[in-house]
Amino acid sequence: DIQMTQSPSAMSASVGDRVTITCRAGQDISNSLVWFQVKPGKVPQRLIYAASILQSGVPSRFSGSGSGTEFTLTIASLQPEDFATYYCLQYKSYPRTFGQGTKVEVK
Amino acid sequence: HVHLQESGPGLVKPSGTLSLTCTVSGVSISSRNWWCWVRQSPGKGLEWIGEFYRGGITNYNPSLKSRVTISVDLSKSQFSLDLYSVTAADTALYFCATGTVTDESWGQGTLVTVSS
Repeated sequence: DIQMTQSPSAMSASVGDRVTITCRAGQDISNSLVWFQVKPGKVPQRLIYAASILQSGVPSRFSGSGSGTEFTLTIASLQPEDFATYYCLQYKSYPRTFGQGTKVEVK
Repeated sequence: HVHLQESGPGLVKPSGTLSLTCTVSGVSISSRNWWCWVRQSPGKGLEWIGEFYRGGITNYNPSLKSRVTISVDLSKSQFSLDLYSVTAADTALYFCATGTVTDESWGQGTLVTVSS
């Protein structure tokens, strides 16, 4: 299995902050990575696929970068609706594996 | 607008079978490339359970492989999860999801508790 290590596991931030979340893969996964946003009681939303392609309908303040083993999700200017938990997922090989999640909380 | 809705018992007895169905609306289920199930145990992160890929290929999490079956019924626009011989460790919020390379949709999730 490919282990995905996300950091930080939690963070406090304010509206308007630039937020960066990192995901490291245990082996080269090329660009086979997606980022999700999950809120309690809500449908999980895919934000980014292929490491850097913004999902249609997702605000442009979200961006993804990286390839190989290191990846980053950036929120350029945090908005109130962005407080949530974010997960990365590799789809290079089976089984698909998630990072452990990053909870973005209000500072 | 694509909508996925999970359905099934919210309570399953230990050693029993957890059976869930995901009903897809707003898009042709046959236009999707893959159909999968994911779960989230209380206080924990997301766990990939398995996937049914176009062409009939299935892949399962090795930690569950001997106990899980995912199937798709195109005629009913549904896909299903069967998890056998459940224990309390299988208590979780279960999500269904389906998509293509460029598009993906999830259900809101259904909570299943394993308890006698």
